[in-house]
Amino acid sequence: QKEVEQDPGPLSVPEGAIVSLNCTYSNSAFQYFMWYRQYSRKGPELLMYTYSSGNKEDGRFTAQVDKSSKYISLFIRDSQPSDSATYLCAMSPSSGTYKYIFGTGTRLKVLA
Amino acid sequence: EPEVTQTPSHQVTQMGQEVILRCVPISNHLYFYWYRQILGQKVEFLVSFYNNEISEKSEIFDDQFSVERPDGSNFTLKIRSTKLEDSAMYFCASSDYGRSYEQYFGPGTRLTVT
Repeated sequence: QKEVEQDPGPLSVPEGAIVSLNCTYSNSAFQYFMWYRQYSRKGPELLMYTYSSGNKEDGRFTAQVDKSSKYISLFIRDSQPSDSATYLCAMSPSSGTYKYIFGTGTRLKVLA
Repeated sequence: EPEVTQTPSHQVTQMGQEVILRCVPISNHLYFYWYRQILGQKVEFLVSFYNNEISEKSEIFDDQFSVERPDGSNFTLKIRSTKLEDSAMYFCASSDYGRSYEQYFGPGTRLTVT
């Protein structure tokens, strides 16, 4: 089983839709969960991070972590064509390491 | 807003040649990282660096790779003898002390080995 799994997409939605992006993981030691947005041929841009379980909201973005199911989600409300990008989840244990384990990314297309 | 910068944006080199990829991390950050992304694949951790020494490295980071902070602002990745399979995007990232979960990435250097 891969350490972090993410559906590669592409996921196409109409403008204004609510988008749900997800990752599953196998390592129960992961405590930090990050979401990055990556435009084509650009570097990953940090959107949000969450520690342990729970929800976190920032504008149109909401991150959820369910550690019991080893499942994390990113919701985008009122999606815009400018949200079209690849969304990467990344994870890390709370201590002893600084490295991130990334998912493969989900390509999102928001259609105008 | 402070950002991580990387140069060059694209480097083409011949197999067996040495390359140096350069990064300027965010100025008050103390932890520095290199990641790579082979085309169509996921971003992979190479190395982390703190207090002028490597704090962690992956299996990918073998003897042909080295990192250095030659002065107070630059952070470099050297590949001694490039191979075709080193062709990838190389991303530098940095984070503040105690905030390794908030890593900020640069725009990347596309390395093409021919």
